Amino acid sequence: RKEVEQDPGPFNVPEGATVAFNCTYSNSASQSFFWYRQDCRKEPKLLMSVYSSGNEDGRFTAQLNRASQYISLLIRDSKLSDSATYLCVVARTGRRALTFGSGTRLQVQP
Amino acid sequence: AAGVIQSPRHLIKEKRETATLKCYPIPRHDTVYWYQQGPGQDPQFLISFYEKMQSDKGSIPDRFSAQQFSDYHSELNMSSLELGDSALYFCASSTAGTSNTEAFFGQGTRLTVV
Repeated sequence: RKEVEQDPGPFNVPEGATVAFNCTYSNSASQSFFWYRQDCRKEPKLLMSVYSSGNEDGRFTAQLNRASQYISLLIRDSKLSDSATYLCVVARTGRRALTFGSGTRLQVQP
Repeated sequence: AAGVIQSPRHLIKEKRETATLKCYPIPRHDTVYWYQQGPGQDPQFLISFYEKMQSDKGSIPDRFSAQQFSDYHSELNMSSLELGDSALYFCASSTAGTSNTEAFFGQGTRLTVV
């Protein structure tokens, strides 16, 4: 079992839709959580960190549930430019290593 | 703002050759990470450095080695290259310190082994 698991998708949604991704992690020592987006053949780009209290950045909302060991990302009012792979990333206490999920592919259609 | 710089961007090598990939982290970042991403795969952690010392090791083959220099740039040395080493190699940097803060990635080096 992978340490960080995501539904690979693809999620095909129309413009303006709201879409949610979930990610589960298996190591309870995980300390820091992030969402990255990656476009085809490009580098992962940080979308947002995920805090225990939940956080929002414009159309994007991230939530963390430590008890259930899952992280979510909600995208409201989807744009064509949101089409990408969304990577859930987890870091463990005491380790300088980020563990990536396999990514969830989002395709926003006109 | 300065970003993570990787060179070269593209590299073609033959089997059994060696390759050296370079990474220049964002100024004042103290942690460098190396990742390998094969086609259709998620990035796999290879190795990290904190303040020029090796910090953590992931799935890095014995044929690979890496180091971080006094100016904080890092190099990934790959020997006896195999076809399966063809991948995108990303370097990332952060101000991890004692905890993991956000890491920023370079544009990657695309290595093709023929």
